Amino acid sequence: EVQLVESGGGLVQPGGSLRLSCAASGFTSSDFWMSWVRQAPGKGLQWVASIKQDGSDKYYVDSVKGRFTLSRDNTKNSLYLQMNSLRGEDTAVYYCARDKWGDRFTISGGLDYWGQGTQVTVSS
Amino acid sequence: QSALTQPPSASGSPRQSVTISCTGTSSDVGGYHYVSWYQQHPGKAPKLIIYEVYKRPSGVPDRFSGSKSGNTASLTVSGLQAEDEADYFCSSYGGSNSLIFGGGTKLTVL
Repeated sequence: EVQLVESGGGLVQPGGSLRLSCAASGFTSSDFWMSWVRQAPGKGLQWVASIKQDGSDKYYVDSVKGRFTLSRDNTKNSLYLQMNSLRGEDTAVYYCARDKWGDRFTISGGLDYWGQGTQVTVSS
Repeated sequence: QSALTQPPSASGSPRQSVTISCTGTSSDVGGYHYVSWYQQHPGKAPKLIIYEVYKRPSGVPDRFSGSKSGNTASLTVSGLQAEDEADYFCSSYGGSNSLIFGGGTKLTVL
């Protein structure tokens, strides 16, 4: 059974840092692009970042570039999101998700499995 | 990149059909075949119901169908059932390995 389990969320002050983790099981994560998507309270979904199968390429939404770093460890079937210089507008539930149909070069956006999400709250 | 435009709400009676639109630009919806739709119940993670404009993942009822014309994609839910009441989000490939989501549509089954 495919499962994605996020962890690492919490309450942090503005300017602080958090590292989110996503543990994958039930499939070989190195075969798939992986993404983070967030959802602010009562709001819609926002794509945050995606990482290629082998971790060699990463892409970010403009609002997190230079502050967030996406990485993966395929030996551990894990995905990580290092979040620095956090702002109030980063407050959201963060989901990791698998891109089922992405190829060697391009994501497909068809995110077929999602984790349960981890809450990140940025507040003083 | 701006969010894709969806109506904030939609409604229909049981057994009726409802269509939700998702409007973008030629740089996203109109330019690629990678439009997806997600269903989200309160407090739950999103669930993929349509990918690549019209394809359904295994296990998704054929009551859900997708299409695209120009810069606008559409999700049609036929034979509405009570459990279809949820938020629905569209997404599109936005170029340069980015994704853009719509603002979401709250579907009410009357």
